[in-house]
Amino acid sequence: EDKVVQSPLSLVVHEGDTVTLNCSYEVTNFRSLLWYKQEKKAPTFLFMLTSSGIEKKSGRLSSILDKKELSSILNITATQTGDSAIYLCAANAGGTSYGKLTFGQGTILTVHP
Amino acid sequence: GAGVSQSPRYKVTKRGQDVTLRCDPISSHATLYWYQQALGQGPEFLTYFNYEAQPDKSGLPSDRFSAERPEGSISTLTIQRTEQRDSAMYRCASSSGNPYQETQYFGPGTRLLVL
Repeated sequence: EDKVVQSPLSLVVHEGDTVTLNCSYEVTNFRSLLWYKQEKKAPTFLFMLTSSGIEKKSGRLSSILDKKELSSILNITATQTGDSAIYLCAANAGGTSYGKLTFGQGTILTVHP
Repeated sequence: GAGVSQSPRYKVTKRGQDVTLRCDPISSHATLYWYQQALGQGPEFLTYFNYEAQPDKSGLPSDRFSAERPEGSISTLTIQRTEQRDSAMYRCASSSGNPYQETQYFGPGTRLLVL
């Protein structure tokens, strides 16, 4: 059975801190790994990673995939209160279940002023 | 449309009633997914459509759950004889279907509460 595990489950930091969120996966026919930020409405897409070792960056956020370790990290530098959200990691299994995403349980990030 | 929309946003129903949830995907997107998200958990896959075809419905919890996408655009998810354990957020997502660009874009969800 496909499985994605995120850690930590929750994290409380102060503005300006740097955080690292972890995601590990066990998925057959792995195709890609995606990160989403979930606030009150829809999960919003952050990154899609397909190749190992290539960092993707968007402003203060960056992410990298390690296919050997079956894991990914999401880094947020100089955190702001607006970064408070649930961060979801999902693995795309591909194969016959084209596009099916298996999600982790999420990391709840709280950034205090 | 500009994004994925879902309706209703909230639905309260009594146990035993049928409910139908609607998803309107991004207009150019071929592929549409339904997920169920329990409180404190990540979304769990229910089923997906490629245009009007439904290649995978392995995630539907029981035969009380069914989904349609008859014209390859709007989709509905119907839950018959609802039970309290069906209470959850139901999320729809769509993607272009391009295997090299599989980003799924999510709608705001329908929060279902079964009393």
